[in-house]
Amino acid sequence: GAGVSQSPSNKVTEKGKDVELRCDPISGHTALYWYRQRLGQGLEFLIYFQGNSAPDKSGLPSDRFSAERTGESVSTLTIQRTQQEDSAVYLCASSSTGTGGLFFGEGSRLTVL
Amino acid sequence: GDSVTQMEGPVTLSEEAFLTINCTYTATGYPSLFWYVQYPGEGLQLLLKATKADDKGSNKGFEATYRKETTSFHLEKGSVQVSDSAVYFCALTSPGGYQKVTFGIGTKLQVIP
Repeated sequence: GAGVSQSPSNKVTEKGKDVELRCDPISGHTALYWYRQRLGQGLEFLIYFQGNSAPDKSGLPSDRFSAERTGESVSTLTIQRTQQEDSAVYLCASSSTGTGGLFFGEGSRLTVL
Repeated sequence: GDSVTQMEGPVTLSEEAFLTINCTYTATGYPSLFWYVQYPGEGLQLLLKATKADDKGSNKGFEATYRKETTSFHLEKGSVQVSDSAVYFCALTSPGGYQKVTFGIGTKLQVIP
């Protein structure tokens, strides 16, 4: 597609349930990033993919969070046993090599009740 | 490690006022510098960038100059409009290795008629 696509756009779940968030990057973009944005807060780095490997997972907050990527395509962020503090907008971005900057999706808003 | 410091918001200006949002950074080497904008209810968009010292990035009437000597990349606009109301994020990408993007906390701008 023309831009970064994320789904679902909104997800409401109960505490303790697992959720999967999907990101479809711009075709040809080798780098993919996940960020979290809590209400009124800045961007919190979660994980970076180059191709299907993740050289930097340092931002994943706990072992309940995991992510994978298929080749240079779709990525899935999985949150297991969700907690209320996981409520946030999860942003995905992709980029090509070089210094062109990141292209962001519109985010997946997660609400944990 | 790399870091980006932005002025705390919110910033409230009258229409046609002059805007400055300060941004300073700490990084090794010569990072690339970016400003991103997040309009209400939308995802982040790249606003402008500069990749080397003394470069000036510009877009939509906004400008920022890469100042190596003061490690700054302040965002300016001569005459703001109500439609400029948004959150502005300063960011950098470190050279070499993988291009981890470090964001500032964001500065909310509100322009009133």
